[in-house]
Amino acid sequence: GAVVSQHPSRVICKSGTSVKIECRSLDFQATTMFWYRQFPKKSLMLMATSNEGSKATYEQGVEKDKFLINHASLTLSTLTVTSAHPEDSSFYICSARDSGGGRDTQYFGPGTRLTVL
Amino acid sequence: AQSVTQPDIHITVSEGASLELRCNYSYGATPYLFWYVQSPGQGLQLLLKYFSGDTLVQGIKGFEAEFKRSQSSFNLRKPSVHWSDAAEYFCAVGGGAGNQFYFGTGTSLTVIP
Repeated sequence: GAVVSQHPSRVICKSGTSVKIECRSLDFQATTMFWYRQFPKKSLMLMATSNEGSKATYEQGVEKDKFLINHASLTLSTLTVTSAHPEDSSFYICSARDSGGGRDTQYFGPGTRLTVL
Repeated sequence: AQSVTQPDIHITVSEGASLELRCNYSYGATPYLFWYVQSPGQGLQLLLKYFSGDTLVQGIKGFEAEFKRSQSSFNLRKPSVHWSDAAEYFCAVGGGAGNQFYFGTGTSLTVIP
């Protein structure tokens, strides 16, 4: 099956710094990727939809200036948490849409654990 | 509005016993339905999915789920639970045609010897 990777898998940073998380589709091109956030013991909440070559669409309540999304190529989307604070600590998961060859399926990455001290 | 409800926050079963995890959904179009499993600190693993056709879907690890349109349900079942099945289980709707997933709040499964 298709594989989606995320890097890093785990990151610890100081408050006030920025952190970049990468989401890559390894064997297919993804025109659309999604970024989710998961709080402890909670479900996944969609943060934004990332479209290659255009601006991301953010869900209500998600600060677009804080969570910068760049979908630079058909295989890479990045989420940058700017000026991170402890409340940004969470598990961030991306998914990528594979719509090639008559398919239309989404695949999830393994997630990135962000801890802000 | 699209939503997914998993009524059971936590379930405990004995190893070897049968399991059923409930999922109800609300979706404005023909639903694509999914069950995912997540081990602590890990990502999501797809157990099974329903797009169309046979309403009883077989998945990995011996799991199956049945789509019941009249009840807006997509319950997950396993006839005999193994200790390694202990994890968090998420039901989701959507995800087709580039649409986002809507997740339930999850059911935490504990398996006792």
